[in-house]
Amino acid sequence: NAGVTQTPKFRVLKTGQSMTLLCAQDMNHEYMYWYRQDPGMGLRLIHYSVGEGTTAKGEVPDGYNVSRLKKQNFLLGLESAAPSQTSVYFCASRYHMGDYGYTFGSGTRLTVV
Amino acid sequence: EDKVVQSPLSLVVHEGDTVTLNCSYEVTNFRSLLWYKQEKKAPTFLFMLTSSGIEKKSGRLSSILDKKELSSILNITATQTGDSAIYLCAVLRVTSYDKVIFGPGTSLSVIP
Repeated sequence: NAGVTQTPKFRVLKTGQSMTLLCAQDMNHEYMYWYRQDPGMGLRLIHYSVGEGTTAKGEVPDGYNVSRLKKQNFLLGLESAAPSQTSVYFCASRYHMGDYGYTFGSGTRLTVV
Repeated sequence: EDKVVQSPLSLVVHEGDTVTLNCSYEVTNFRSLLWYKQEKKAPTFLFMLTSSGIEKKSGRLSSILDKKELSSILNITATQTGDSAIYLCAVLRVTSYDKVIFGPGTSLSVIP
């Protein structure tokens, strides 16, 4: 049982380049989330999904797009990377019923130069 | 605006000390309060607290929620160097997607 797997773990991009971060979970969770974590600012929600084929904006969605074509995968895209998007990105998932916390992936450290 | 506040933001203690980490919240449609431990990578789940006054315990860690005071504490007794981490408090709201609002975290360093 792998839990939540994020790829890649590290990436350096040049300003203006694009990339996609992949999140995969094998726990049959309905809800999936993308967060970014910056020093002194905690975890901020970028986008989320409550089920296959659905996505919605979180607190800081600008500059990012997402897709959830399959229940187990949640993709985060950066169309034109900016230095302000340098951050650690975490994917999380959660079962939609009951008192369960999030399960987080191990994070992607992205640097935009 | 919903917010979660943690104090202190940073703490250094010696092995064997007992520490208390604080979390307070101003959140609409409160459902539960969550505590996570974050070492070098992903946050790992510690506790979920939904009912006021009921202590949850796991080894040397314990936590309790006070809904009247809109706060929670996380206690760690007989601290060890392995307890060094960022401790995140988060509040789960009742919404269509169970939005979780995270606090900034308390960075705990335990020195030998």
